Amino acid sequence: GENVEQHPSTLSVQEGDSAVIKCTYSDSASNYFPWYKQELGKRPQLIIDIRSNVGEKKDQRIAVTLNKTAKHFSLHITETQPEDSAVYFCAAVGLGGSYIPTFGRGTSLIVHP
Amino acid sequence: EPEVTQTPSHQVTQMGQEVILRCVPISNHLYFYWYRQILGQKVEFLVSFYNNEISEKSEIFDDQFSVERPDGSNFTLKIRSTKLEDSAMYFCASSVSKLGTGELFFGEGSRLTVL
Repeated sequence: GENVEQHPSTLSVQEGDSAVIKCTYSDSASNYFPWYKQELGKRPQLIIDIRSNVGEKKDQRIAVTLNKTAKHFSLHITETQPEDSAVYFCAAVGLGGSYIPTFGRGTSLIVHP
Repeated sequence: EPEVTQTPSHQVTQMGQEVILRCVPISNHLYFYWYRQILGQKVEFLVSFYNNEISEKSEIFDDQFSVERPDGSNFTLKIRSTKLEDSAMYFCASSVSKLGTGELFFGEGSRLTVL
């Protein structure tokens, strides 16, 4: 089945710095890659997603890149703020006709003011 | 903004007891899911439900687990005889369409502790 690896497990940055979280997937049939943010004690929420027909997508301070050949995708957050502190999960969807996302382990991002 | 709601937020139970976790998906959503997350580990898929039947399930979802949509609004996960390793955060989610075409909306989770 699909396997999604996510790194790092913890990322600590200073306010204003950039943060990058990387994920790799194993199944070349995956074609949809959402990212979810989970603040402490709250539900995971979709923050950005990318489909396999594009290489990059940006939404204000958040961007996601996809390299289909290498089977990896990354989340980039620029000008980080303390409210960006949360656990971020990547996922890959589209395994062999299934639409069930396989999630990464999560990255705990801590932004120090 | 509509939300997926889950109850209870935390349940403590003795090994071997039955547990029912409840979820109310967003009202116009058609696909429902249960995921679990053991502390420090991945969010794992358990089961998806569509048109009043299970559409997919993982290896984790064995005979000890069952799901039901008893009344058109609630979506429940039952664990018949809990084991210590069932201790985890259980997330319910719903989507208006099959993933890949629509966003997955999560509830806030039900933390299950099996003693």
